[in-house]
Amino acid sequence: QVQLVQSGAEVKKPGASVKVSCKASGYTFTSYDINWVRQATGQGLEWMGWMNPNSGNTGYAQKFQGRVTMTRNTSISTAYMELSSLRSEDTAVYYCARGRPGLNWGQGTLVTVSS
Amino acid sequence: EIVMTQSPATLSVSPGERATLSCRASQSVSSNLAWYQQKPGQAPRLLIYGASTRATGIPARFSGSGSGTEFTLTISSLQSEDFAVYYCQQYNNWPPNTFGGGTKVEIK
Repeated sequence: QVQLVQSGAEVKKPGASVKVSCKASGYTFTSYDINWVRQATGQGLEWMGWMNPNSGNTGYAQKFQGRVTMTRNTSISTAYMELSSLRSEDTAVYYCARGRPGLNWGQGTLVTVSS
Repeated sequence: EIVMTQSPATLSVSPGERATLSCRASQSVSSNLAWYQQKPGQAPRLLIYGASTRATGIPARFSGSGSGTEFTLTISSLQSEDFAVYYCQQYNNWPPNTFGGGTKVEIK
């Protein structure tokens, strides 16, 4: 069955970077886009960007341009989302999702930004 | 950027009743509209894509309709497990693939 398994919770200081991983199984990794979505506590879903695992092409929401980088390692079917210059407002659960729309989702990774 | 507006923000419904949720796009998204269900502490789950196609394993009581700028998710007879937050998302004009603000369906 399709599974997306994300890395564990992170605590970071303001100004630092975080890199979240999303390991895919149960399907051909390069056949579906990977999208990243975040959700602050008690808030709605916010789309951050997408990556084509086959080509490596990416597209980011304007809000995150210059701060976010999405990459992949096809040999281990894993996608990565790195967010830099973290601030307290980046505290959220970060999700990866397969396809557009999101057919399957990872379990989420809580990133806490606190001094 | 396309803005997605969901209404109402909260919907109070008794079990067994019908629930009708609305989603409006600021410009046409054709039929490239998805609906998700999210329960507390869980990731979203895809219910509907292409505005009206149920995702794999989704019960028939969930139906979607609409095209262009106006969309509706109908839950024909609410079950206890359906009380959750529902989001619409457009994937026609992207980036970004914008989400609506969500509708919370609560027990009346």
